[in-house]
Amino acid sequence: DQQVKQNSPSLSVQEGRISILNCDYTNSMFDYFLWYKKYPAEGPTFLISISSIKDKNEDGRFTVFLNKSAKHLSLHIVPSQPGDSAVYFCAARVLASGNQGGKLIFGQGTELSVKP
Amino acid sequence: DAGITQSPRYKITETGRQVTLMCHQTWSHSYMFWYRQDLGHGLRLIYYSAAADITDKGEVPDGYVVSRSKTENFPLTLESATRSQTSVYFCASRIKGGGRADWWSYNEQFFGPGTRLTVL
Repeated sequence: DQQVKQNSPSLSVQEGRISILNCDYTNSMFDYFLWYKKYPAEGPTFLISISSIKDKNEDGRFTVFLNKSAKHLSLHIVPSQPGDSAVYFCAARVLASGNQGGKLIFGQGTELSVKP
Repeated sequence: DAGITQSPRYKITETGRQVTLMCHQTWSHSYMFWYRQDLGHGLRLIYYSAAADITDKGEVPDGYVVSRSKTENFPLTLESATRSQTSVYFCASRIKGGGRADWWSYNEQFFGPGTRLTVL
C-alpha cells in the first residue's frame, strides 16, 4: 500500500518555463512534507519542506503547495534551469510519538528533464 | 571528512553470501536510517535507529540485520543475500528534535552517497 504516490515517472520542460511536480498521499496522520532532489550516483539532498499547518512555502525558485483536503502537494520550479534536471522525491513524516516520529515515507520519484 | 559516508560504494556478491554495508556519520546525529532505492518503488525504509542500541524495523526489513553499538556507525547486514536484494542502498541521519520553536527544521534527513549492490 503506497501511502505517498508520485504518479508521473518523468517530466520534460523547456528551460525558463515552470516545472510542476505532483505528489498525493493517503495517510491523514502525516504532519510534515519534504521534497528531495537526487542526481545520478549521489544521495538525495533536501530541497524544501512544508508543515501541515501551512499551505505554501517558498524558497527562491522553489515553491511547495499543500492541499490537505485533497491530500495533494506540488512542487513548482520557476524558472526551470538545465541544472534542475534530476529525480525529485516527495516524502511525508509520520506523526507519532517517541522513536517512531523520525520516519519518512517516500514517493516513487519523478525524473525531471529541463531542456535548453 | 565531516558528513555521512558509506562503504563500499559498489559491491558484487553471490546468492547466499553474507554482506555488510557500512555507514558512518560525523555529526553525532541521534537518528540513522537505511533505505533501498528500486525502480518504481522510490526509497523504502529498511531499518532505523533512534539512538545507540535502539533499532526498529521499517517497511522492508526481511533479510536484513542492523546494529548500532556506537552513535556514529550503523552497519546493515544481508545475512544470506538474494537476487531480490540487488538495489542501491542509502544511509541517512537526522538530529533529534524537540523542545525548540523551529522543530520543523529537525525533520531533514541527510543522505550518504549510496552503495550499489549486485547479487548474482
